[in-house]
Amino acid sequence: QVRLVQSGAEVKKPGSSVKISCKASGGSFTSYPLNWVRQAPGQGLEWMGGINPILQRANYGEKFQGRVTITAERSTTTAYMELSSLRSEDTAVYYCVSAPAAFDYWGQGTLLTVSS
Amino acid sequence: ELVLTQSPGTLSLSPGERATLSCRASQSVSNNYLAWYQQKVGQAPRLLIYGASSRATGIPDRFSGSGSGTDFTLTISRLEPEDFAVYYCQQYGTSSITFGPGTKVDIK
Repeated sequence: QVRLVQSGAEVKKPGSSVKISCKASGGSFTSYPLNWVRQAPGQGLEWMGGINPILQRANYGEKFQGRVTITAERSTTTAYMELSSLRSEDTAVYYCVSAPAAFDYWGQGTLLTVSS
Repeated sequence: ELVLTQSPGTLSLSPGERATLSCRASQSVSNNYLAWYQQKVGQAPRLLIYGASSRATGIPDRFSGSGSGTDFTLTISRLEPEDFAVYYCQQYGTSSITFGPGTKVDIK
């Protein structure tokens, strides 16, 4: 069973960037796509993008194109999501998700607060 | 982008009752790559159903999924107290994955 452990909560100012990490253990890191999903306070789930760790190929949701970068380090079995040009609407919990069948395994979530 | 619509927005039921949740897609979902998730307050979502009708590991058999094409249903045969939560559908058949807005199942 895959276990995903994310980095801790972040507070950032508008216009800055954030990079959240997701450490995978208990399974084969390269076997399944790794995705990122966010959830604003009181809102639903929003897919941001995902990466194939073997091919190192990422694809992104249209809303986040140009502002998000997802990477994966095979040597450390860690994935990263970097979001730039932050604004208050980016305040949310960010989840990394491993996807063998659908979105099977979820990290614990990382709260990002964007505030001046 | 493939848009998912869920109904009803809120479902008020009593423990032991049957819950029927609907998810409709704006176009046919490729290979019936449709999943359902349960989310409780303060927790990450949990995968219940994938491929429209396959139960994920460890999911009780009171949860079942059905449907194909553009119309899908999640059924909870007899609600247990721990089933009161928000349920989301998701399509992963296109390169741009989308979620529905969710259905809240609360206690009547």
